Amino acid sequence: DAGVTQSPTHLIKTRGQQVTLRCSPKSGHDTVSWYQQALGQGPQFIFQYYEEEERQRGNFPDRFSGHQFPNYSSELNVNALLLGDSALYLCASSLGGPNSPLHFGNGTRLTVT
Amino acid sequence: DAKTTQPPSMDCAEGRAANLPCNHSTISGNEYVYWYRQIHSQGPQYIIHGLKNNETNEMASLIITEDRKSSTLILPHATLRDTAVYYCIVRAGGTSYGKLTFGQGTILTVHP
Repeated sequence: DAGVTQSPTHLIKTRGQQVTLRCSPKSGHDTVSWYQQALGQGPQFIFQYYEEEERQRGNFPDRFSGHQFPNYSSELNVNALLLGDSALYLCASSLGGPNSPLHFGNGTRLTVT
Repeated sequence: DAKTTQPPSMDCAEGRAANLPCNHSTISGNEYVYWYRQIHSQGPQYIIHGLKNNETNEMASLIITEDRKSSTLILPHATLRDTAVYYCIVRAGGTSYGKLTFGQGTILTVHP
């Protein structure tokens, strides 16, 4: 049973460019969340998708957007990249409800130069 | 979201029990206590969670005090592979349950 898979594992982009990160949830999970983890910090919540809608959003600018597809997979898009966007981007999937644990992928390491 | 307080670091000898404390004095009645750990360069790994009762699974035990203001994660027989950052998280109920708020966690070092 495959867990949460993310692609690519590493990515290097230039300031001002746009990037798309991809996530396939754990089998049976219908909810996907995205987190940003800067070096030496804990993960920070970006947003959550359920039924192809953004359900909840953290304190991130509109440059960060997402999408969820009918098969529950998801994409994270970041426009107009800044040096400060360099981080590990983590995807997590779950079933609905606070009693359902989030399961994380191993992330995409984004470096902005 | 309820805030959590954890010691920044702890040491444990291999084979001994590791007891990681967490304070969450502002927790609300419908909020769950979750524990995750993160090994360098990997995503956080789910360990265990609970609401009121103590919980046990194949990885660990979770002891929640009766007033729910604190909890302890117990790794019964720590190994070198348990060296990681351990996060105690209070997860909101209601419509805000999607967000996990990670603090700085506890760096657990298991030594031979």
